[in-house]
Amino acid sequence: NAGVTQTPKFRILKIGQSMTLQCAQDMNHNYMYWYRQDPGMGLKLIYYSVGAGITDKGEVPNGYNVSRSTTEDFPLRLELAAPSQTSVYFCASSYDTSGELFFGEGSRLTVL
Amino acid sequence: GQQLNQSPQSMFIQEGEDVSMNCTSSSIFNTWLWYKQDPGEGPVLLIALYKAGELTSNGRLTAQFGITRKDSFLNISASIPSDVGIYFCAGLHPNAGNMLTFGGGTRLMVKP
Repeated sequence: NAGVTQTPKFRILKIGQSMTLQCAQDMNHNYMYWYRQDPGMGLKLIYYSVGAGITDKGEVPNGYNVSRSTTEDFPLRLELAAPSQTSVYFCASSYDTSGELFFGEGSRLTVL
Repeated sequence: GQQLNQSPQSMFIQEGEDVSMNCTSSSIFNTWLWYKQDPGEGPVLLIALYKAGELTSNGRLTAQFGITRKDSFLNISASIPSDVGIYFCAGLHPNAGNMLTFGGGTRLMVKP
């Protein structure tokens, strides 16, 4: 059982470049989330999805986009990378709204 | 938005010591959760609390949902080197749907 799989694990971008962080889960969870983690700041919710075809903004959505065409996949798109988007990004999924999340291993993004 | 104040920010203890950390807020929460993040990994759920006053144990870990619904604490007894990591509290606010609020984390270091 792979759980939540994120790719890539590391990436360096130049300012203005775009990229997509991939996230897939094999637990048939309806709920999926993208968080960013900055040092000492905990985790901030970027976007979330309650099921295929449904997405909604979290606390810090600016500069990001998401899509949810299947239950399994929830990619996060950065269109014009900025240094402020340097962070570690975590994808997570859950079976319900209990708060019990399963996290991926993270993707460390550096924008120079 | 809701904020969770987690303390202490870091702790450096001797193996075998007990550890206590807590999380407070000015808002009430319906659910409190404690996650642990090992270096280079995503957070993993340790304990979930769903009822005010609830006290729950998981091995050497004990957590409580404060009676005012505005706080929670986590205790670790007889610490061991593998307890090293960052511990996050998280809460579900009644008006936040299924969006978790995370505390800033407590970094625990254990000296053998």
